[in-house]
Amino acid sequence: TQLLEQSPQFLSIQEGENLTVYCNSSSVFSSLQWYRQEPGEGPVLLVTVVTGGEVKKLKRLTFQFGDARKDSSLHITAAQPGDTGLYLCAGAGTSGTYKYIFGTGTRLKVLA
Amino acid sequence: NAGVTQTPKFQVLKTGQSMTLQCAQDMNHEYMSWYRQDPGMGLRLIHYSVGAGITDQGEVPNGYNVSRSTTEDFPLRLLSAAPSQTSVYFCASRAGIGSTEAFFGQGTRLTVV
Repeated sequence: TQLLEQSPQFLSIQEGENLTVYCNSSSVFSSLQWYRQEPGEGPVLLVTVVTGGEVKKLKRLTFQFGDARKDSSLHITAAQPGDTGLYLCAGAGTSGTYKYIFGTGTRLKVLA
Repeated sequence: NAGVTQTPKFQVLKTGQSMTLQCAQDMNHEYMSWYRQDPGMGLRLIHYSVGAGITDQGEVPNGYNVSRSTTEDFPLRLLSAAPSQTSVYFCASRAGIGSTEAFFGQGTRLTVV
């Protein structure tokens, strides 16, 4: 069974601070995604990374896929209250891209 | 642009009752999935479908049934509700093979008492 562990589970920071969220597994994934979920809503895709070592930037968010395609990180620069939410990583299982495994989630709160 | 629509949004059941959570998508997506979300556990895959007439089990399928008679609809049936099935349920769809983005419904919050 493939598992994705995220850390930290909870994070509360002041506006303007930087933070990094980690997504780790002992399994190899063909691709990995990051989603953000707001209260009462379903997750919304932020980015997909597919190549080992790949780095993608989305404004103040930087995503990296590990060289061995077993882990990923999300770095937020100068966090803002609008970044508050639940961040989830999801990996495409090796049995096929139709079966995604989700991480345990990181709940971020950015205080003004 | 409706996307993925789930009904109902909230439901309270008594132990032993049965019910069906509805999910419909209007994007002509091949792949559809059901997840449950519990605190500290992310989303866990219950069942999924790669096309009309084709379904398979995910990580936590026990106590749930699905069917996919049309491309648009993917209902999730709870046969005999148990308190352990109290959760938030999400339906998701993706275009098909090679597609990566999943589109989620707004969720159904189910409480079993």
